[in-house]
Amino acid sequence: EVQLVESGGGLVQPGRSLRLSCAVSGFIFDDYAMHWVRQAPGKGPEWVSGISWNSYKIAYADSVKGRFTISRDNAKNSLHLQMNSLSAEDTALYYCTKGSLAAVDFNWFDPWGQGTLVTVSS
Amino acid sequence: QSVLTQPPSVSGAPGQRVTISCTGSSSNIGAGYDVHWYQQLPGTAPKVLIYGNRNRPSGVSDRFSGSRSGTSASLAITGLQAEDEADYYCQSYDNSLSGSVFGGGTKLTVL
Repeated sequence: EVQLVESGGGLVQPGRSLRLSCAVSGFIFDDYAMHWVRQAPGKGPEWVSGISWNSYKIAYADSVKGRFTISRDNAKNSLHLQMNSLSAEDTALYYCTKGSLAAVDFNWFDPWGQGTLVTVSS
Repeated sequence: QSVLTQPPSVSGAPGQRVTISCTGSSSNIGAGYDVHWYQQLPGTAPKVLIYGNRNRPSGVSDRFSGSRSGTSASLAITGLQAEDEADYYCQSYDNSLSGSVFGGGTKLTVL
């Protein structure tokens, strides 16, 4: 059974940092790109970042470029998102999701984890 | 404002057919990139319903179908059931943004 389990969310003050992690099992992790998708309360999903199977290609949404860093550890079947300079606009449920391809572009996303909530507030 | 435009809501009676549109532009759907559809039940993560414009993952009912034409795509649901009440999202790739984009979502109400 494929499982993606996010962790690391919480309440953080504006301007501070947070690091999310996703533990993966049930498929060959280094065969696929991985992505982070977030969903603000009452809003639709927003793709945040993706990383190719070998970490050679990384992509970010404009809204997080320069502030967020995605990484993966294929030896540990884990995905990470380092989030710096957080603002209220980053408040959302952050999902880890498996891409459909090894390359980072043109993916669909399946499955998704249960999400980890990030709340940015003073 | 989402890059892909969906109607905020649609509704239908049990047994009826409804369609949900997803309108993009020349940098995403119109450029030939595939459209994928997700269903999100209350309190759960989105689940892929249609991938590659018209393909259903195993386990997804054949009451769901997808199509793409020009700069738009559609999701059709036939034989509406109460359990279909959910939020539906389209997703594609955008070459001007160099990343994936989602529609704003459509809430389906089964009357």
